[in-house]
Amino acid sequence: DVKVTQSSRYLVKRTGEKVFLECVQDMDHENMFWYRQDPGLGLRLIYFSYDVKMKEKGDIPEGYSVSREKKERFSLILESASTNQTSMYLCASSLSAGSSYEQYFGPGTRLTVT
Amino acid sequence: GENVEQHPSTLSVQEGDSAVIKCTYSDSASNYFPWYKQELGKRPQLIIDIRSNVGEKKDQRIAVTLNKTAKHFSLHITETQPEDSAVYFCAANRDDKIIFGKGTRLHILP
Repeated sequence: DVKVTQSSRYLVKRTGEKVFLECVQDMDHENMFWYRQDPGLGLRLIYFSYDVKMKEKGDIPEGYSVSREKKERFSLILESASTNQTSMYLCASSLSAGSSYEQYFGPGTRLTVT
Repeated sequence: GENVEQHPSTLSVQEGDSAVIKCTYSDSASNYFPWYKQELGKRPQLIIDIRSNVGEKKDQRIAVTLNKTAKHFSLHITETQPEDSAVYFCAANRDDKIIFGKGTRLHILP
């Protein structure tokens, strides 16, 4: 059974703070993804990675960076948090390179930036 | 790039009736179309998917249809039950990514 975990369910940060969101998967998946979910906007891809130390921009990468030093861990970094980054952040993983595989999601981190 | 449009944004149906959610996509190279269900407070989970080499796929009360020519695909839920209440997302692949629609909130009325 695939398990994707995220470091926090709820997080409150101040404007300008550096924020780290961590995601870990335990099924040796190659692909990992970070999405943000906002009401009426669906799931929007921020960044994804198909291998260790590899990263690709998604549709809304501005204001974010990522790190993948180990296969099982994918971190999302907000260098200087802003109020418009208040959102639900979902991590996901999938088995292999290529986009035709089921994505397994983590429980999400609800980030509030004040 | 790929664009996935989903309609309606909200849908209310009487318990026992059918529900249909429709999506369109723009990239003719897309060949994988998954549907995810997200119950309130939970993570999205895959419920069914279809690939471009078939036109229809069914799993118990859920079916998906695909019209490649028109770039349309739809989710059909028959004999709806209270546990079908959720947000449903359609998606299509593009390069190494999945592009999601904006979601449909389905309410099942008693």
